[in-house]
Amino acid sequence: ELKVEQNPLFLSMQEGKNYTIYCNYSTTSDRLYWYRQDPGKSLESLFVLLSNGAVKQEGRLMASLDTKARLSTLHITAAVHDLSATYFCAVDANNAGNMLTFGGGTRLMVKP
Amino acid sequence: DAGVTQSPTHLIKTRGQQVTLRCSPKSGHDTVSWYQQALGQGPQFIFQYYEEEERQRGNFPDRFSGHQFPNYSSELNVNALLLGDSALYLCASSLARRGHGVEQFFGPGTRLTVL
Repeated sequence: ELKVEQNPLFLSMQEGKNYTIYCNYSTTSDRLYWYRQDPGKSLESLFVLLSNGAVKQEGRLMASLDTKARLSTLHITAAVHDLSATYFCAVDANNAGNMLTFGGGTRLMVKP
Repeated sequence: DAGVTQSPTHLIKTRGQQVTLRCSPKSGHDTVSWYQQALGQGPQFIFQYYEEEERQRGNFPDRFSGHQFPNYSSELNVNALLLGDSALYLCASSLARRGHGVEQFFGPGTRLTVL
């Protein structure tokens, strides 16, 4: 059974600081997705990572995938309050685009 | 271009009742997946529909069933509701393509409360 683990589960950081969220998964896959969820809202797609070594950046967020280590990272650069949300990684274990297994989420709070 | 829509937004039911949730996929998408998200947890995959058939199913009991219509919209039915079924139910749509990463786009969700 595929397991997806994120850490930390909760992250409180000051504006302007950098930090990394880690996503480990237990089975071979080269398709990993990052989503953002604001309180009471749905999931917003952030990144789609489809191969080993994939790196994508959008604004202050950068995601990478190491399929050999079964690890993805979401790096936050110079955090701002608007980045406060819960971030989920999800793995497509079948590489078939049908079943996503999500991590437990990282709740990020950026304080002024 | 309308994104994924779901109805109703909120729903309150009592134990033992049955509920039907509805989802319309993003324009151009042909695949619908359903997820259950309990408070404070990540979404859990219920099942996926493609070409009006259930293509993949997660670890959910038979009380959870679904349907996909020719226009690609979908319904999720839950029978004999339990308190533990209280959750946010998310519908996600995608376009089935072989050999490509399939990005799933999520709807706003239906908040189900079982009393």
